[in-house]
Amino acid sequence: EVQLVQSGAEVKKPGESLKISCKGFGYSFTDYWIGWVRQMPGKGLEWMGIIYPGDSDTRYSPSFQGQVTISADESINTAYLQWSSLKASDTAMYYCARCPTGTLSPYYFDYWGQGTLVTVSS
Amino acid sequence: DIVMTQSPDSLAVSLGERATINCKSSQTLLYSFDNKNYLAWYQQKPGQPPKLLIYWASTRESGVPDRFSGSGSGTDFTLTISSLQAEDVAVYYCLQYYSTPHSFGQGTKLEIK
Repeated sequence: EVQLVQSGAEVKKPGESLKISCKGFGYSFTDYWIGWVRQMPGKGLEWMGIIYPGDSDTRYSPSFQGQVTISADESINTAYLQWSSLKASDTAMYYCARCPTGTLSPYYFDYWGQGTLVTVSS
Repeated sequence: DIVMTQSPDSLAVSLGERATINCKSSQTLLYSFDNKNYLAWYQQKPGQPPKLLIYWASTRESGVPDRFSGSGSGTDFTLTISSLQAEDVAVYYCLQYYSTPHSFGQGTKLEIK
């Protein structure tokens, strides 16, 4: 059974760093893209970026480029989303999701993690 | 970047009636190489992650009830629920995966009238 299991909720202060994780089970981790989606409180879904663990090809939305870093460790089937300096506006639910791959590009998200709630408050 | 616009923002439909949600893209999602529309639909219920309903604009995901159907091509797409059930109350999103960055529509909130 395919599963994506995300790390637990985090409460941080502005300016702190954070790295959240997403571990894949039940499929070949390096054969699918893993993407990250932000959902701010009461708002819609925002596509942040995506990584192909097989070759570390990483693509970002311009809205998130330079604000976050997406990485993956194929040896432990885990993808990461990290911030170097959090802001209050980073408060949101963050989902990871798996993406089947086409010829050089990702397709739709088919399986989703349960979400990681990040709260940034002084 | 491709902008996705859904209509309406919210919708109230009686149980057993048809619900229709529209999604328009700022450029074509039909890839001439394979003649496929790179458009998916998701359902999100409160407190849950989104769930894939439809991909390639009209292919129903395994396990999704057949009252859900997707149609359209190019820049205009529709999600139809043929006979609304109580469990269909949710927010629905379209997603384009024609090119990165991928992008979601703003969402349509579906309620019971």
